[in-house]
Amino acid sequence: DTEVTQTPKHLVMGMTNKKSLKCEQHMGHRAMYWYKQKAKKPPELMFVYSYEKLSINESVPSRFSPECPNSSLLNLHLHALQPEDSALYLCASSQEGLAGDFYNEQFFGPGTRLTVL
Amino acid sequence: RKEVEQDPGPFNVPEGATVAFNCTYSNSASQSFFWYRQDCRKEPKLLMSVYSSGNEDGRFTAQLNRASQYISLLIRDSKLSDSATYLCVVNIPYSSASKIIFGSGTRLSIRP
Repeated sequence: DTEVTQTPKHLVMGMTNKKSLKCEQHMGHRAMYWYKQKAKKPPELMFVYSYEKLSINESVPSRFSPECPNSSLLNLHLHALQPEDSALYLCASSQEGLAGDFYNEQFFGPGTRLTVL
Repeated sequence: RKEVEQDPGPFNVPEGATVAFNCTYSNSASQSFFWYRQDCRKEPKLLMSVYSSGNEDGRFTAQLNRASQYISLLIRDSKLSDSATYLCVVNIPYSSASKIIFGSGTRLSIRP
């Protein structure tokens, strides 16, 4: 199974709402990622979890809060978002070794298309 | 200077043509390299990894030149289904994980 799943596919929320994006993989990957992608731009890295610990936070505003409940799940909690946060949010996973095995490709989920009104 | 730079495109070529994309990277610590393709409103999908010796997968050939810090992708006998955005991706060791840096992408359109 080489699939990364994300829910929901689409989300419309107001600026005062709290919502969560979910991502799941069953490939035994130990690194998981959140990306944000605006139209006609490449994905921008937001967060990296390695062995369920937050390894990288690319200076993302605190209105985005990641959570990794276990090695298969990754959540992104959203609160008080702005209209400019509307984008495609992509989750990815990869094999990652503590010894620094950095040669592995990432597999992406289909994304959640978020609209903030 | 951007960490990963690609040909801006767009490329518009006839079916059956050969097309080549180049990509340069600035971080000499970069460890691994990939080409992804992304169709409109879809997620990026791995096209191929790029190895030091160069590698081929059917109509696709990828090359890596570490000395000059660039990678390339060659598509032979292009098909209509090759129309997509091609993203050059570089993986950089970072702390206990790695950072993956995307190029801005090159849009390819194949015309009948």
